[in-house]
Amino acid sequence: QKEVEQDPGPLSVPEGAIVSLNCTYSNSAFQYFMWYRQYSRKGPELLMYTYSSGNKEDGRFTAQVDKSSKYISLFIRDSQPSDSATYLCAMRGTNKLIFGAGTRLAVHP
Amino acid sequence: DAGVIQSPRHEVTEMGQEVTLRCKPISGHDYLFWYRQTMMRGLELLIYFNNNVPIDDSGMPEDRFSAKMPNASFSTLKIQPSEPRDSAVYFCASSLRQGIANYGYTFGSGTRLTVV
Repeated sequence: QKEVEQDPGPLSVPEGAIVSLNCTYSNSAFQYFMWYRQYSRKGPELLMYTYSSGNKEDGRFTAQVDKSSKYISLFIRDSQPSDSATYLCAMRGTNKLIFGAGTRLAVHP
Repeated sequence: DAGVIQSPRHEVTEMGQEVTLRCKPISGHDYLFWYRQTMMRGLELLIYFNNNVPIDDSGMPEDRFSAKMPNASFSTLKIQPSEPRDSAVYFCASSLRQGIANYGYTFGSGTRLTVV
């Protein structure tokens, strides 16, 4: 079993939809949780991070962590075509980040 | 700051040849990471350095792979000899203080390696 599981998609939604992206993990020691966005032929860039359980909001993006279920989510409200990218979850392991496989998202006009 | 700079952007080489990938981290960052990304395996950590010292190379697939960081502003990842299964996008990333708190990893644009 992988330490971090993420559905690779692809996920296709119409513009304006609410998008939900999710990851599950197995290591209860993880404390820092991040979401990276990767556009085609670019490196991943940090989108949001949260520490421990709870919610964090930044504009149209909300990150949610449920440590009891070992489940994290990223919600995108009012999705835009410019949100089309691959979204990777990442979690802080002992000395390094462990990345999910990434979910490809396409938002069509 | 120009961000993390990787070169070359694309590399096509023949099986058996030596390949050297280069990375310049963000000035002042004390951690440097080399990742490999493929469709099948996603983003895999190969090796990381702290203050120019290799800390964990457990992700390096074989002895054909080696990495060095001779100073704080330069690192190389070398594959010798290269094989078709090494074809992937190789990313370099740097961070301050292990990427915790507000200091996430900053990735370069990657080197797309094709071994034929």
